[in-house]
Formats: sequence, C-alpha cells, structure tokens
Amino acid sequence: SYELTQPLSVSVALGQTARITCGGNNIGSKNVHWYQQKPGQAPVLVIYRDSNRPSGIPERFSGSNSGNTATLTISRAQAGDEADYYCQVWDSSTANYVFGTGTKVTVL
Amino acid sequence: QITLKESGPTLVKPTQTLTLTCTFSGFSLSTSGVGVGWIRQPPGKALEWLALIYWDDDKRYSPSLKSRLTITKDTSKNQVVLTMTNMDPVDTATYYCAHRLDGDYFDYWGQGTLVTVSS
Repeated sequence: SYELTQPLSVSVALGQTARITCGGNNIGSKNVHWYQQKPGQAPVLVIYRDSNRPSGIPERFSGSNSGNTATLTISRAQAGDEADYYCQVWDSSTANYVFGTGTKVTVL
Repeated sequence: QITLKESGPTLVKPTQTLTLTCTFSGFSLSTSGVGVGWIRQPPGKALEWLALIYWDDDKRYSPSLKSRLTITKDTSKNQVVLTMTNMDPVDTATYYCAHRLDGDYFDYWGQGTLVTVSS
C-alpha cells in the first residue's frame, strides 16, 4: 500500500518560514492535499492539488510537489498556525485515500 | 453552506457492531462528482481513511478494514451510514465524515464523534 511520511515535528520562530515535508514514492505524479488540525477541532483543508488555496486560507500558506517530496510552506508564521498538519493523496492504483503520518508545528 | 454532522453511540462493547450516521446539508449526494467519506483518528494519533461512497453509489474501502466496513447512502434523507463490525478497543477514535468533490480531497468536515470501545 502507498505510504506518506512526514516529520513528527517542526519548530519555527514567530514571523519566520516553516516547511513541512511529505514523502512518498513518486509523489510528484499525484495530487497532494494538506489539512490543518488544531486541538479538539476537525481538520481544515489548507492546500489542494499541490498548491491551491481554498477561499479564506491566507496567502502565507503555499505548497509544492516534485519527485518524491511534497512541501507545505507557512510564511511569516503566526502563533495561530500552531497545529498538526497532514498531507493526503488519492492512490489510483488501489483506489484508496491515504493520509500522511502528521506533523506538529510549534511556533516559538 | 455545506455542513455535516456525525451521530451514533459514544460507547460500544467489544465484538459489537458500530453504526454511525452522517447527516449533511448544502449539497446533494445525487450530484455528479460528489462523495462522502469517513475518516477516523485514535486519540493522539494520525488520521485514517475508512470508506467513501460516491454519488453513483460506487463505494471504496480501506484495504485493512474492508471486511468489517459497510457504507450506504440515503439520498432522500441526506444521510450516509457507516457500519463497522466486531469492534475492538483499538477502534476507539473520533470518527469524522467529510464531503468530497471531484478533486479527491475533503473540503468540508463534520465536527467528529468520539467512540469508545470498552466493556
């Protein structure tokens, strides 16, 4: 089965840039989506199809995808960006939705 | 405005069958491209996709749980039902339903419902 690997945690200084990676075999050939989940809340879609932002998501959130790694970038990090972040793909070979292992982002 | 809400028991005993209902509004599950999925999250752990039903009644299941899951829809009631048999304490989790449209991602989520499996 297809697997997505994320770092357990990422720390970023207030106002700086955080980059969260999502590794998978030839992930660049797939559409990658990203969710933000704050404690006690449901996930919120922040990036879809690699680099598109839903309405209401700040421009500080951006995404890229190439080769075996997709990346979510949070620019000018704010305290409110502290959350768990999950990547997700649709694996057409198995017709399954796959979530990453999740990354906890801490803003220092 | 799309909303989804999960409902069902908060406590089930081991070996019992869990039945969860997702009641939604703001879209129709008879519209081409629409799907409703179920995702769960054990306490302190990652999200895990369980199942999804499409507007045309096509269904997909997680390979690891396929034998235990059934997903159905009632378009007239705007509901999707997930059943999971032979519940075990490791199935203790918050269960979410979510809306899916075309792009194979989930753009709207319910608030989730915590299900505890314990005798």
